[in-house]
Amino acid sequence: EVQLLESGGGSVQPGGSLRLSCAASGFTFSTYAMNWVRQAPGQGLEWVSTIRNSDGYTWYTDSGKGRFTVSRDNSKNTLYLQMNSLRAEDTAVYYCVKVGTPTMNMIFDSWGRGTLVTVSS
Amino acid sequence: EVVLTQSPATLSLSPGERATLSCRASQSVSVFLAWYQQKPGQAPRLLIYDASNRATGIPARFSGSGSGTDFTLTISSLEPEDFAVYYCQQRQHWPPLTFGGGTRVEIK
Repeated sequence: EVQLLESGGGSVQPGGSLRLSCAASGFTFSTYAMNWVRQAPGQGLEWVSTIRNSDGYTWYTDSGKGRFTVSRDNSKNTLYLQMNSLRAEDTAVYYCVKVGTPTMNMIFDSWGRGTLVTVSS
Repeated sequence: EVVLTQSPATLSLSPGERATLSCRASQSVSVFLAWYQQKPGQAPRLLIYDASNRATGIPARFSGSGSGTDFTLTISSLEPEDFAVYYCQQRQHWPPLTFGGGTRVEIK
């Protein structure tokens, strides 16, 4: 059974930093692209970032470019999201999401329970 | 960026009724559209991928159709556990990968 367990969320002041982690199990982590998707309180879903399995190539939403860095440690089956220069609008539940096939089909077939990030002074 | 517009925003129905949810894309996404269900306090769950394929374990009362810019998710007979928010998502043109704003299916 696929399990994705996020951690690292919390409260931070504007301009601060947080590092989210996602511990994966139940599948061969190194063969799947991984993603972060966020959801602001009471709002819809927003794709944040993707990291490819084969070479670690990364993609970001425009609002995250230059501030967010996604990485992975395949030896630890763990996905990370380093978030710097945080803004109030980054307040959201951040979900770790696995794609459906090793071909990076961008179908989100497994989701973690999420970790809440609150940016407020 | 592909904008996905879902309608209606809220659908008020009774158990046993048929639900029809719409997702319209600002440009063609071929058949590369998925549907997710989200219940309060839970993560989204994949229901349908590539417009019409049910994900593993999804009941047959859920079906998807459409191609190009117009897509439909149909729940043939609502069960109590189906009252939730539903999101569409396209994967044809990314980044950015985009979601619709959601349709809430509530008990009438």
